[in-house]
Amino acid sequence: KQEVTQIPAALSVPEGENLVLNCSFTDSAIYNLQWFRQDPGKGLTSLLLIQSSQREQTSGRLNASLDKSSGRSTLYIAASQPGDSATYLCAAQLNQAGTALIFGKGTTLSVSS
Amino acid sequence: NAGVTQTPKFQVLKTGQSMTLQCAQDMNHNSMYWYRQDPGMGLRLIYYSASEGTTDKGEVPNGYNVSRLNKREFSLRLESAAPSQTSVYFCASSEGGFYGQETQYFGPGTRLLVL
Repeated sequence: KQEVTQIPAALSVPEGENLVLNCSFTDSAIYNLQWFRQDPGKGLTSLLLIQSSQREQTSGRLNASLDKSSGRSTLYIAASQPGDSATYLCAAQLNQAGTALIFGKGTTLSVSS
Repeated sequence: NAGVTQTPKFQVLKTGQSMTLQCAQDMNHNSMYWYRQDPGMGLRLIYYSASEGTTDKGEVPNGYNVSRLNKREFSLRLESAAPSQTSVYFCASSEGGFYGQETQYFGPGTRLLVL
């Protein structure tokens, strides 16, 4: 059974710092890996999707990488801002029909000004 | 373009009562999903609909039923609510017939409290 783990569960950094959020998955046969952002009391917003054939995706200050062989993905946030404070979730899509996204429990990020 | 909408936003039920959570999307997506989010458990899939006219069980389907009313709408019904169903419920949709190959778009959630 696919399991997705995110470490750390919480992270506090000062504004301007570059940071990395980690995501690991147990089954390397994934179809894609997605990163989401969730603000308190809100729904999820998709940030980046990496197909299994890709190594990374970039959007603005965000860069996500995928290493299927090691079962790891990272989300790199450059020059963090207080507005980046939120919970970040990664989710793996298994490479087979009849499944949906398997979510990690998230990393709650706090960026102080 | 409202994306994915959910009603109600918040609901309080007594044990044994029934209710239906409504979800609609205006992006012409084929696939729709219902998740629940609980503290310490993350998001878990309840039911999904890969295309209009089909529904399948997810990880935690017990106590729930779904209806894919048409391409736009996917409802979740609790026939006899239990305190264990206290949770935040999210509806999501994605474009493709073979779901999961592309981004899922989420609604704002319904917060349900069962007393």
